Amino acid sequence: QSVLTQPPSVSGAPGQRVTISCTGSSSNIGAGYDVHWYQQLPGTAPKLFIYGNNNRPSGVPDRFSGSKSGTSASLAITGLQAEDEADYYCQSYDSSLSVVFGGGTKLTVL
Amino acid sequence: EVQLVESGGGLIQWGGSLRLSCAASGFTVSSNYMSWVRQAPGKGPEWVSVIYSGGSTNYADSVRGRFTISRDNSENTLYLQMGRLRAEDTAVYYCARSRGPLYNDAFDIWGQGTMVTVSS
Repeated sequence: QSVLTQPPSVSGAPGQRVTISCTGSSSNIGAGYDVHWYQQLPGTAPKLFIYGNNNRPSGVPDRFSGSKSGTSASLAITGLQAEDEADYYCQSYDSSLSVVFGGGTKLTVL
Repeated sequence: EVQLVESGGGLIQWGGSLRLSCAASGFTVSSNYMSWVRQAPGKGPEWVSVIYSGGSTNYADSVRGRFTISRDNSENTLYLQMGRLRAEDTAVYYCARSRGPLYNDAFDIWGQGTMVTVSS
């Protein structure tokens, strides 16, 4: 059972917009800690896609954006492309002094 | 090129010990917060341990007292000594670098991972 809760799967057609939610609590996201997002392709390591709630590392398309409010955060992907099909994970920090991750969301491009 | 390369994984019996290594290139391990993160098959990542630039360490409750994180500054290498291994320690183990000197910063560089399988 992950500390941060994500939907197991989301899907969308090419060109559509999808969002992935990440729900925490008052001891992590709600305590003001930043949320980060990773993309993981099969058989590879996670890759940082959003840091500090809404910042994109160099090379990440601007179709990806993040937001945070209260005890939750969201990753939005616009103009969905086949190459976006992957697993996505959120990460934050908990007042128990540990880094915490979500259980992951599998994005399927229909 | 900034890179992390893990090694040392394998098949180990329940209760055994194993040491993982993570060789860094393109940056200095001792100047960064460095973590080990594991991912069991079909599961999300789980943070395991961190060593801060100052040398202090922290561990997830699930491994505290069994695992030890360390680094060799001369070799620019991170280590994870794992002991009293259990079936639930079976996972791909990644080393990862934090973007900045914040406890809650993102991991911007990851290794390719090394698989640890604990058999009973």
